[in-house]
Amino acid sequence: DGGITQSPKYLFRKEGQNVTLSCEQNLNHDAMYWYRQDPGQGLRLIYYSQIVNDFQKGDIAEGYSVSREKKESFPLTVTSAQKNPTAFYLCASSPPGRQSSGANVLTFGAGSRLTVL
Amino acid sequence: DAKTTQPTSMDCAEGRAANLPCNHSTISGNEYVYWYRQIHSQGPQYIIHGLKNNETNEMASLIITEDRKSSTLILPHATLRDTAVYYCIVRVANQAGTALIFGKGTTLSVSS
Repeated sequence: DGGITQSPKYLFRKEGQNVTLSCEQNLNHDAMYWYRQDPGQGLRLIYYSQIVNDFQKGDIAEGYSVSREKKESFPLTVTSAQKNPTAFYLCASSPPGRQSSGANVLTFGAGSRLTVL
Repeated sequence: DAKTTQPTSMDCAEGRAANLPCNHSTISGNEYVYWYRQIHSQGPQYIIHGLKNNETNEMASLIITEDRKSSTLILPHATLRDTAVYYCIVRVANQAGTALIFGKGTTLSVSS
């Protein structure tokens, strides 16, 4: 079955450590996204990528980095520069065709919950 | 993207219809209405979208007013598993270079 796989599901890290969250999709989607969610809040966009080797900052990119070397993969690194990294991180992808309303139909992964100790 | 307004929370009895409203009075002619839901500690799930006509799928129905300034998502027979946060998003189909923005949505609580 096609879908998005995020790993790890739970992650603990010490302050000052970088950590990389994995996101893999087998949906043949061009666009991929990373969102952050804090308790009781909506989703906030960190980074997104519409094609391989290209990505754009979202609203809260500071302290995060991404790469898009393969269509299937869009890993997110939470760096030590991110002041409050404890959160629920969600990866999503959407199909090609920016002229289609279906381009806004996102498929999400199950999320990765990061806790900084 | 047009701004949307949703109630913070709603309650529904199991087996009854859940009607979730969304106000988007500044919607433009080429903007679609999308609905997603998020069950606790899971990723959001796409439900349905529409432009001007009412839409129905296996999950829900979407009713858009004739002036398109508001819409209602209808879950015809709510179950306990429909308890979730429901997000209404308005967006053009061909918006390049940006991504969907999720607000705080409506928390629907279905009880027996």
